[in-house]
Amino acid sequence: DVKVTQSSRYLVKRTGEKVFLECVQDMDHENMFWYRQDPGLGLRLIYFSYDVKMKEKGDIPEGYSVSREKKERFSLILESASTNQTSMYLCASTYTGTGEQPQHFGDGTRLSIL
Amino acid sequence: GQNIDQPTEMTATEGAIVQINCTYQTSGFNGLFWYQQHAGEAPTFLSYNVLDGLEEKGRFSSFLSRSKGYSYLLLKELQMKDSASYLCAVISGNTGKLIFGQGTTLQVKP
Repeated sequence: DVKVTQSSRYLVKRTGEKVFLECVQDMDHENMFWYRQDPGLGLRLIYFSYDVKMKEKGDIPEGYSVSREKKERFSLILESASTNQTSMYLCASTYTGTGEQPQHFGDGTRLSIL
Repeated sequence: GQNIDQPTEMTATEGAIVQINCTYQTSGFNGLFWYQQHAGEAPTFLSYNVLDGLEEKGRFSSFLSRSKGYSYLLLKELQMKDSASYLCAVISGNTGKLIFGQGTTLQVKP
């Protein structure tokens, strides 16, 4: 089975802090994604990566950056955390290409910014 | 623009059948997924449609009409454990990027 592991289930940080969320997958997937999930808004794509050291902006990249130094690891960085970044963050991965390649999700990190 | 619409909430009775609709307007359609998400858990894959018609998997079926920009998820013989959110998502482009609807929260009552 595919395993996508996020480093923390719950995280509390303060406004202005630099926050790192880590995600690791064990299936040699090329594509990795970071979403945030908010009530009434669904999942919104922050950034994605289709290869090591490659990244693409999603729909809401402002205030975030990412790093993909190794194929299995994709990190989301909140450069200077703000209260409006309090949310559930979900990481996902999939093989490259079209067709029936579902994204596999981690369990999520519930981040609170105080 | 790109838009996916689903009802926000639905309620159904244990043992019954429920249909959750999804309409979409996207560019470069490459398929549609349905995911199930229980509260506090990760979304899990349910079904994939890329051609028109019905795909059946046990108690769950999913239908697609590309000309109408419409899909539905059909759940039969509802069980209490089916209480969850159901997410409709469309593939955009060839990088596997998904566009999600806001999700439909289904409550199954005894």
